[in-house]
Amino acid sequence: EAGVTQFPSHSVIEKGQTVTLRCDPISGHDNLYWYRRVMGKEIKFLLHFVKESKQDESGMPNNRFLAERTGGTYSTLKVQPAELEDSGVYFCASSEGRYNEQFFGPGTRLTVL
Amino acid sequence: AQSVTQLGSHVSVSEGALVLLRCNYSSSVPPYLFWYVQYPNQGLQLLLKYTSAATLVKGINGFEAEFKKSETSFHLTKPSAHMSDAAEYFCAVRTDTGGFKTIFGAGTRLFVKA
Repeated sequence: EAGVTQFPSHSVIEKGQTVTLRCDPISGHDNLYWYRRVMGKEIKFLLHFVKESKQDESGMPNNRFLAERTGGTYSTLKVQPAELEDSGVYFCASSEGRYNEQFFGPGTRLTVL
Repeated sequence: AQSVTQLGSHVSVSEGALVLLRCNYSSSVPPYLFWYVQYPNQGLQLLLKYTSAATLVKGINGFEAEFKKSETSFHLTKPSAHMSDAAEYFCAVRTDTGGFKTIFGAGTRLFVKA
């Protein structure tokens, strides 16, 4: 069974540009989560989808970040415009139910120059 | 609110020596506790989890952790380190009343010397 996949694995952009990160959860997992790790600090929660609905977006840093989950399948996280402090590793995770184990993807390393 | 503190951002041990990675948590309600490992260029992999059953939890690759409520600790141990254990380890907490997000510690990078 395929795990959580994320694309791209690395992205280097300039300040002010737009970047879109994609996450494909494990098939059948209704719950999808985004996390990020900035500059070697803690991995921090961004938001949680249940199917296509945002269940909890309390961790989204500001309105430059937009997450969507079309049809309750894959999810995208768009950063527009990107700032230097957005650099870090963005992880996606999915789980079958809210109380089940969250399986993590390999992450997307974003570098904003 | 929940929080996790990992003592030591870097730990170095010799191959064959005991591995001890420390984790303390804060939670006002019974927590679910996790240890994840991240090998270079890979995603987070669950090592083990505590979900209010046995306080001594055995995980993959010979790791185990003991939940101590009185000390609010969930330290990770392995009797004998192997070179392949070199990675970054994250302690994490989740609660039913704290939403379904996972709260992570800052991570501990384990170095294993030959």
